Amino acid sequence: KAGVTQTPRYLIKTRGQQVTLSCSPISGHRSVSWYQQTPGQGLQFLFEYFSETQRNKGNFPGRFSGRQFSNSRSEMNVSTLELGDSALYLCASSWGLTDTQYFGPGTRLTVL
Amino acid sequence: QKEVEQNSGPLSVPEGAIASLNCTYSDRVSQSFFWYRQYSGKSPELIMSIYSNGDKEDGRFTAQLNKASQYVSLLIRDSQPSDSATYLCAVGTISGNTGKLIFGQGTTLQVKP
Repeated sequence: KAGVTQTPRYLIKTRGQQVTLSCSPISGHRSVSWYQQTPGQGLQFLFEYFSETQRNKGNFPGRFSGRQFSNSRSEMNVSTLELGDSALYLCASSWGLTDTQYFGPGTRLTVL
Repeated sequence: QKEVEQNSGPLSVPEGAIASLNCTYSDRVSQSFFWYRQYSGKSPELIMSIYSNGDKEDGRFTAQLNKASQYVSLLIRDSQPSDSATYLCAVGTISGNTGKLIFGQGTTLQVKP
């Protein structure tokens, strides 16, 4: 069974631009969570989607948004990029809201 | 108080020793508990899950859960340099019709040859 995939793997953007990251969960998983990880920081929870509905949201500004499609694939968008948005963005999928989460390889975003 | 707390470390142990990693959580109704390992620059990978009080063993790894004291631990026997990584504790709680999985900040383990 294929694992969680994320595209693109690497991205370089400049301040003020916007970016869209994509995540394809493990087949059958309906829950997709997004995390931001910066050097020296733990996983910072962004949001979670379950059956196309945002169930939980972390403490991030409105520039960070996401959505989930009917096939459970998810996208997250960051508008008006700031230097501090440079990070590893991780997507994780699971069967349900508190089940084992399986992580994708991540998208490393660099904002110049 | 953080919902899931871990000592950030680093925890340094010699090769062959037992490494003990601890995690405490604040929500008494938490039901699922996980340990992940994350190598530098990589994504977290699941080591073990545990749902009931007591010990659960998988190879060199043993997870221990004590719901009364609200802690979960991970023991790594015969530690190897390849075990050097950050270990993340995650705790799952269902509340009403929703739920969440909360990660601790992670403990960095260094196994010295």
